[in-house]
Amino acid sequence: DIQMTQSPSSVSASVGDRVTITCRASQDISSWLVWYQQKPEKAPKLLIYTASNLQTGVPSRFSGSGSGTDFTLTISSLQPEDFATYYCQQANSFPYTFGQGTKVEIK
Amino acid sequence: EVHLLESGGGLVQPGGSLRLSCAASGFTFTTSAMSWVRQTPGKGLEWVSSISHSGGSTYSADSVKGRFTISRDNSKNTLYLQMNRLRAEDTAVYYCAKDLRLYDGGGICDYWGRGTLVTVSS
Repeated sequence: DIQMTQSPSSVSASVGDRVTITCRASQDISSWLVWYQQKPEKAPKLLIYTASNLQTGVPSRFSGSGSGTDFTLTISSLQPEDFATYYCQQANSFPYTFGQGTKVEIK
Repeated sequence: EVHLLESGGGLVQPGGSLRLSCAASGFTFTTSAMSWVRQTPGKGLEWVSSISHSGGSTYSADSVKGRFTISRDNSKNTLYLQMNRLRAEDTAVYYCAKDLRLYDGGGICDYWGRGTLVTVSS
């Protein structure tokens, strides 16, 4: 199985900050990388697919980059509604696997 | 508007069975691949099983293979997960999710239900 490792596991930031989350795959997954946002007691929400494509309706302050094994999710200017947990997931091959999550907390 | 509503969760003893359902609306169910993803309390996400639009292809995680069966009824716009020989480690919130890509899908879940809690305990 492909292992997905996110860092950091948590980050404290203020409104307006730039936040970067990284995700590393244990093998080459090309651009088959997905990012989700999850708020407490809610289902995950698709943010970015195939590494850099923004899902319809997602604010442009979210962006994704990378290919192969190393990927990044960037929030250019953190907003109050962005405090949540973010997960990466590889969609290259079964079984699809998720990172352990990165919690973005208020500083 | 896409709507996915899971049902069928609850408390079950180890070794027991449950069948989860997911009623879908607001999109063309018959051309959409679907998946079940679970989340253990306080932990992360685990993909469980996927099924192609026709039901002709299914894939399951090793942790549930031989115990869980994914299926669908396109005439009822409903997805199912039959769970047998349940274990304590199957305790989780189970989400139904629609795949972004049509037909055979590809592991990109663009819509999720609210989830149903399955608790396996004596």
